[in-house]
Amino acid sequence: DTAVSQTPKYLVTQMGNDKSIKCEQNLGHDTMYWYKQDSKKFLKIMFSYNNKELIINETVPNRFSPKSPDKAHLNLHINSLELGDSAVYFCASSPLGGVGYGYTFGSGTRLTVV
Amino acid sequence: AQSVTQLGSHVSVSEGALVLLRCNYSSSVPPYLFWYVQYPNQGLQLLLKYTSAATLVKGINGFEAEFKKSETSFHLTKPSAHMRDAAEYFCAVSYSGGYQKVTFGTGTKLQVIP
Repeated sequence: DTAVSQTPKYLVTQMGNDKSIKCEQNLGHDTMYWYKQDSKKFLKIMFSYNNKELIINETVPNRFSPKSPDKAHLNLHINSLELGDSAVYFCASSPLGGVGYGYTFGSGTRLTVV
Repeated sequence: AQSVTQLGSHVSVSEGALVLLRCNYSSSVPPYLFWYVQYPNQGLQLLLKYTSAATLVKGINGFEAEFKKSETSFHLTKPSAHMRDAAEYFCAVSYSGGYQKVTFGTGTKLQVIP
């Protein structure tokens, strides 16, 4: 059983398109996150939801919109894709706001914008 | 603001040699500290964490780290490197109080030479 699963694993699309990445966790965790990892492996938080409520919203273009239909799911929709959006996007989850617990990561979605 | 600095983006060791990956943190309050490992094309996996209990923390795969407040360090060590340890290692910091994001370091790529 995969604890945090993301789909798709690979996504190749053209500039200007709209795409979504889905994330599901079966750990019963309350908090979920989206991180972006660039080509230099740098990880930057984008969003965090706790029980469907947005709690962290970093400086991210408003072309990126997270949606959490329930606490087990956190999806990421990206409008008008740009070349600079190419990266690996990781979903993660943790119990109780994550403080001190550490995260469980999904295997990532490699987005390539051409 | 919290941050971590990982000294050395690449570290090479011989198989069987000591592994030492360096991490220094900056935090105005007592931190929570983490080490994660990322194997190629995979998500991050939690190796170990410090949450203000014992200063010497043991993790998975034979790794351990020691929290040294006087040096603001949390270096990761393993007595004897295995080929399977070759991966990217990330130090991360957070702190208590509400919903706190985890800030990651820039990563250290560990190469193990047979």
